[in-house]
Amino acid sequence: ELKVEQNPLFLSMQEGKNYTIYCNYSTTSDRLYWYRQDPGKSLESLFVLLSNGAVKQEGRLMASLDTKARLSTLHITAAVHDLSATYFCAVDGGGATNKLIFGTGTLLAVQP
Amino acid sequence: DAGITQSPRHKVTETGTPVTLRCHQTENHRYMYWYRQDPGHGLRLIHYSYGVKDTDKGEVSDGYSVSRSKTEDFLLTLESATSSQTSVYFCAISAFSDTQYFGPGTRLTVL
Repeated sequence: ELKVEQNPLFLSMQEGKNYTIYCNYSTTSDRLYWYRQDPGKSLESLFVLLSNGAVKQEGRLMASLDTKARLSTLHITAAVHDLSATYFCAVDGGGATNKLIFGTGTLLAVQP
Repeated sequence: DAGITQSPRHKVTETGTPVTLRCHQTENHRYMYWYRQDPGHGLRLIHYSYGVKDTDKGEVSDGYSVSRSKTEDFLLTLESATSSQTSVYFCAISAFSDTQYFGPGTRLTVL
């Protein structure tokens, strides 16, 4: 059974600082997704990582995937308040139907 | 934004009553999914569909059924609502092996 663990579950950081969110998963998978959710809102797709060593960057966020270690990271550079949200990783459970298994999420609070 | 709507957006119901949530898409995507979101659990897959009349169970399917008679609509039914089904329900759509795009969500409270 595929399990996905994120840590930390809660992250309070100051503006301008750097930090990393970790996503570990238990079995082999080809695809990993990162989503953002603002309070009371839906999920917004951030990144899709499709192969070992994949790295994607958008603004202050950079995501990477190491399929051998079964680990993805979401790195935040010089955090700003607008990045405050909950971040989820999700792993493709395999097969043709793209079923996703989600981590429990990381609540990021960026303090001014 | 992906063309996904969910209805109703909010619902309060009583234990034992049936409830149907609707997901409607305008993207003509083949795959549709129902998730529930609860604190401490992230999102968990309830049921999914890979075509008209083709559905299958997810992680937490007990007490739920689905139907898809048209490409654009995917219905989730709580056959007899219980308080443990109080949650936020999200519909998602995707093309094959593609990113899933999520609807706005339905907040369901079962009293």
